[in-house]
Amino acid sequence: DAGVIQSPRHEVTEMGQEVTLRCKPISGHDYLFWYRQTMMRGLELLIYFNNNVPIDDSGMPEDRFSAKMPNASFSTLKIQPSEPRDSAVYFCASSLGGPTDTQYFGPGTRLTVL
Amino acid sequence: AQSVAQPEDQVNVAEGNPLTVKCTYSVSGNPYLFWYVQYPNRGLQFLLKYITGDNLVKGSYGFEAEFNKSQTSFHLKKPSALVSDSALYFCAVRDSGKAAGNKLTFGGGTRVLVKP
Repeated sequence: DAGVIQSPRHEVTEMGQEVTLRCKPISGHDYLFWYRQTMMRGLELLIYFNNNVPIDDSGMPEDRFSAKMPNASFSTLKIQPSEPRDSAVYFCASSLGGPTDTQYFGPGTRLTVL
Repeated sequence: AQSVAQPEDQVNVAEGNPLTVKCTYSVSGNPYLFWYVQYPNRGLQFLLKYITGDNLVKGSYGFEAEFNKSQTSFHLKKPSALVSDSALYFCAVRDSGKAAGNKLTFGGGTRVLVKP
């Protein structure tokens, strides 16, 4: 399997623009997670899905952030409008169905908002 | 609530010497514990996990970790460090209780620098 795939790997945009990050989980995995990594706050869980349904979005910073999972093989994280403080590395991860199952991470998207 | 602490921001070790990265946790139920490693500009890679059973868990790249329930610790170890082990290491915990859902809580990370 190719592992978790994220695109783009790097994104540079200007404040106020819409940003869309994409993720393809490992085939057969029921859970998908979006994380954000910054120097100041470390690794934070933003939202996670089970069978395409959002289960916990308590980590989403504000209404400018939204995430969707229209099918089992694709998810998006959208920021609109983007702000400089959104600059971070965004990771997608996926896992099988149980609480003991390992989460496998994608390579991440490095977002820079100018 | 579940939490995990990595008390050392950085660990320096000479190549060939033993490497230990510390992790302590707090959960209300039983812990499921994980170690990940992150190399520069890469995603997190799974090293090993403790779910139940033998307290000594062996993982990838010669790493192992020991679960200690009385000390609520899960320290990562490698008997002989390599320069290529230099990376950022994350400990993570999930409470076995249903209230925790499927959320992992990560520690702040420990940077390991192995010098030749």
